[in-house]
Amino acid sequence: EIVLTQSPTTMTASPGEKVTITCRASSSVSYMHWYQQKPGASPKPWIYETSKLASGVPDRFSGSGSGTSYSLTINNMEAEDAATYYCQQWNYPTWTFGGGTKLELK
Amino acid sequence: QVNLLQSGAALVKPGASVKLSCKASGYTFTDYYIHWVKQSHGKSLEWIGYINPNSGYTNYNEKFKSKATLTVDKSTNTAYMELSRLTSEDSATYYCTREADYGFSDYWGQGVMVTVSS
Repeated sequence: EIVLTQSPTTMTASPGEKVTITCRASSSVSYMHWYQQKPGASPKPWIYETSKLASGVPDRFSGSGSGTSYSLTINNMEAEDAATYYCQQWNYPTWTFGGGTKLELK
Repeated sequence: QVNLLQSGAALVKPGASVKLSCKASGYTFTDYYIHWVKQSHGKSLEWIGYINPNSGYTNYNEKFKSKATLTVDKSTNTAYMELSRLTSEDSATYYCTREADYGFSDYWGQGVMVTVSS
């Protein structure tokens, strides 16, 4: 099973700040997907196939990476971006999720 | 529009079973796999397994092989997950999701909370 390790586990950011969340895989994966979850809500599709933004995701978000190291970046943090972000990989036929990064507004 | 509507919250006794439903609408049900994901309170997401609604083929996370059984009813576009021999460790919110390309989950149900308590 491929294990995904996210860092940091929690962080705070000020409005306008640049934020980077990292996801490291225990073995090489072809793609990484990301989801945003707010309290009491289902996870929302956020970034797919490493770098493609899901519908409705602001373009201040971006994704990058390859092999075992991937990241989600927010340019110019906004209040609405405060949430928990999860990375997820698909190594046919199984999925695994990272432990999550809780991003709070400073 | 695509929608996955899950059954309501369940309170069940230890040792019992529960069957959760996920009714799909807005797309051709048999064209997309349905996955189930567990989220214990305040914790991360855990993949349980998936079912191919067209063939009924299933694949499970080893951890959930003896816990969860996935089925579908193509006549009603509904996916089901039955959880057996429930313990307090099974208390969680369970989501059904639709898989798009490359293992990406593009739609999620609203989630159903299962509480195991006597």
